[in-house]
Amino acid sequence: EDQVTQSPEALRLQEGESSSLNCSYTVSGLRGLFWYRQDPGKGPEFLFTLYSAGEEKEKERLKATLTKKESFLHITAPKPEDSATYLCAALDNTDKLIFGTGTRLQVFP
Amino acid sequence: KAGVTQTPRYLIKTRGQQVTLSCSPISGHRSVSWYQQTPGQGLQFLFEYFSETQRNKGNFPGRFSGRQFSNSRSEMNVSTLELGDSALYLCASSTDYGYTFGSGTRLTVV
Repeated sequence: EDQVTQSPEALRLQEGESSSLNCSYTVSGLRGLFWYRQDPGKGPEFLFTLYSAGEEKEKERLKATLTKKESFLHITAPKPEDSATYLCAALDNTDKLIFGTGTRLQVFP
Repeated sequence: KAGVTQTPRYLIKTRGQQVTLSCSPISGHRSVSWYQQTPGQGLQFLFEYFSETQRNKGNFPGRFSGRQFSNSRSEMNVSTLELGDSALYLCASSTDYGYTFGSGTRLTVV
């Protein structure tokens, strides 16, 4: 069965303390791996799409990478405004988007 | 460019009632998909519509149904509401380049 697993469930970082979020997946015919950010009471906000192993994308303090079994979201020198839930989703070969349960990130000053 | 619009933002319904939620996709997007988000299960895929046809369906009971109109607007209907249907219902419109989500409809069943 297709599955996406994110770890850790929650992460507390001090401002400036870099870390990585993990997303491991078992999906038939992966067509894309997506990262979203979700703030409380809002819909997910698109961050990145990765299509093939070895691909990397960056945006401000965030960098996403993809291997054949997992993806990482690296956060460099985070700020309190980076606090949110980060969601990973895999698009399978039937065009279904399968989400992980997210990593809740808190960055405190 | 307007984003994905979901209405209403909040709903309170009683067990046994039915509810209809609406989603207007980004102009030009022909695909609309629906998701249920709960604290325990995360985001779960309900169904996807493309050009008025259901293209994909998740593992939800038949009480959950949807449709899409010729202008790509979509509606989702839940009949005979149960307490466990309380959730944030999210709609996403998509192209080949990605999925854009609305802010969701928060449904509370009492």
